[in-house]
Amino acid sequence: SAVISQKPSRDICQRGTSLTIQCQVDSQVTMMFWYRQQPGQSLTLIATANQGSEATYESGFVIDKFPISRPNLTFSTLTVSNMSPEDSSIYLCSVEEVNHWNTEAFFGQGTRLTVV
Amino acid sequence: DAKTTQPTSMDCAEGRAANLPCNHSTISGNEYVYWYRQIHSQGPQYIIHGLKNNETNEMASLIITEDRKSSTLILPHATLRDTAVYYCIVRPADYKLSFGAGTTVTVRA
Repeated sequence: SAVISQKPSRDICQRGTSLTIQCQVDSQVTMMFWYRQQPGQSLTLIATANQGSEATYESGFVIDKFPISRPNLTFSTLTVSNMSPEDSSIYLCSVEEVNHWNTEAFFGQGTRLTVV
Repeated sequence: DAKTTQPTSMDCAEGRAANLPCNHSTISGNEYVYWYRQIHSQGPQYIIHGLKNNETNEMASLIITEDRKSSTLILPHATLRDTAVYYCIVRPADYKLSFGAGTTVTVRA
């Protein structure tokens, strides 16, 4: 199973600033995803990070606010830009491993972001 | 859009079986039933999945009705560490996960 490391694990940021979250996987994976989990809520998919091309964003999320990089098959970053208190959430990186009978998703421990 | 319906919460006694229901009446023929759980302050963890046959692994059993419109996740001997939010998700094997609200399971000593 894939092991995912996210950095930072938590941060407190001033409004108007930006934070870049890193996601490192211990193996090459095709599919990488970024999720947001607002306080007391379930997970919402932000985007699919595509290696070598622009990320694919879900409805309600835009590249200017959440730019994503995916330079190779083991690493991705998510930037939360021009932050406001409403961006306070847990941000999670996820990867999927596909074999002939199963698609299994693995998640990082998340980055707990507080915007003040 | 989450295509499943789960109870908001449930309690169970430590050492007893926990049976978590999930309704997915609009499931399509190529969609699998997946279960994940999220323990507090951690990322979601895969539990089990199935298409139409019942499945069992070291963590749990998954019982899917013959018409595939509902399923039950069974934790055979619940422990305090099983306290978590449990998510039932239906999706094709190669499609993205969509999380609903899940069931908050509290295991009590």
